[in-house]
Amino acid sequence: DAKTTQPTSMDCAEGRAANLPCNHSTISGNEYVYWYRQIHSQGPQYIIHGLKNNETNEMASLIITEDRKSSTLILPHATLRDTAVYYCIVRAPGTASKLTFGTGTRLQVTL
Amino acid sequence: DTGVSQNPRHKITKRGQNVTFRCDPISEHNRLYWYRQTLGQGPEFLTYFQNEAQLEKSRLLSDRFSAERPKGSFSTLEIQRTEQGDSAMYLCASSNEGRRPATQYFGPGTRLTVL
Repeated sequence: DAKTTQPTSMDCAEGRAANLPCNHSTISGNEYVYWYRQIHSQGPQYIIHGLKNNETNEMASLIITEDRKSSTLILPHATLRDTAVYYCIVRAPGTASKLTFGTGTRLQVTL
Repeated sequence: DTGVSQNPRHKITKRGQNVTFRCDPISEHNRLYWYRQTLGQGPEFLTYFQNEAQLEKSRLLSDRFSAERPKGSFSTLEIQRTEQGDSAMYLCASSNEGRRPATQYFGPGTRLTVL
């Protein structure tokens, strides 16, 4: 599975959009981009995934560049409860493999 | 609640004791994964099951660790002769590999402290 690069930390004001970037320049054509988050002392929570097209669900939007070498997770109206570590992971479908987590981006939402 | 559940949520033990954790996956999920997470790091893969078969084990899974999924439903992870280095959060995840792509859903974890 391709390696990802994320900023170590980011801040966002409550009510504003949080845009979390991820670089995955070695991504293969069949690899999906997954986002998880982990609130302190809890298990990782699935957010969203995508292959080529932009995706949106009730939690977030995922924007993938046309060359698929990077993506951005968007939380449209961040709240204090969105403070967490956000992990960007790429993984090919059908593989038996584990998810390979990096150290993620620590998002701090402030008043 | 139909999510992944883990028990106990917290376990404190003395070095040298054995401990066992349980994971109950989402009911229709045929794959079950175990991960370990130490402070400040992302989760690291330990092992996974397809139904009752254990198909992959990480080199992190030393001989003191054993995992089972006897009927393809719940799973247990046992650590024998615990060491202080075993202190970590142990996470379980499950997925339905009949779907493409399969998404792994995690439980709340079991936090182990070895004194």
